[in-house]
Amino acid sequence: KAGVTQTPRYLIKTRGQQVTLSCSPISGHRSVSWYQQTPGQGLQFLFEYFSETQRNKGNFPGRFSGRQFSNSRSEMNVSTLELGDSALYLCASTGQGDTEAFFGQGTRLTVV
Amino acid sequence: SQKIEQNSEALNIQEGKTATLTCNYTNYSPAYLQWYRQDPGRGPVFLLLIRENEKEKRKERLKVTFDTTLKQSLFHITASQPADSATYLCALSNSGYALNFGKGTSLLVTP
Repeated sequence: KAGVTQTPRYLIKTRGQQVTLSCSPISGHRSVSWYQQTPGQGLQFLFEYFSETQRNKGNFPGRFSGRQFSNSRSEMNVSTLELGDSALYLCASTGQGDTEAFFGQGTRLTVV
Repeated sequence: SQKIEQNSEALNIQEGKTATLTCNYTNYSPAYLQWYRQDPGRGPVFLLLIRENEKEKRKERLKVTFDTTLKQSLFHITASQPADSATYLCALSNSGYALNFGKGTSLLVTP
């Protein structure tokens, strides 16, 4: 079956702009989680959506938001971009009853 | 606050030896502990999961132990190969859906 797909793979944005990243989970998976990965902080949990509802949230400012659609596809949005938002953003999907997370390739965001 | 620590220094071992990676945690009582492998430029790939009531789990050349008293997990790769070279991440959770990751340990296996 097809894996988790994230688009775009690479993005360059300017400080102050906003950005939207997209994630298509594995077919049948209803849970989608987002993570930020930086060299200094490692992989940090942003939020998790299940059946269009945010179920878990990490410790990130309100500039980071997300949503999930009825087909389980998810988007995350970062507003008022800062240089420190430059990172690899990873999406993972999990099947119901499973605990194994399947990760996408990530979106590499560079803020200049 | 919750803290997950993995060896920050890279682990270099010779092909054929057993690699042992450590994951320690504090201020946490996770229901699950998972190990992932990550190659450069790619997303993490799931390797093994162990539950709080399990002591040990094996899968092929991989073995994970989980000591909830010591708050520590050990991850072993036996008969290591150069293809095992990657960063290995430990992740803890109570639900399996919101993972708290360590910063990872880089493993280099040389021929």
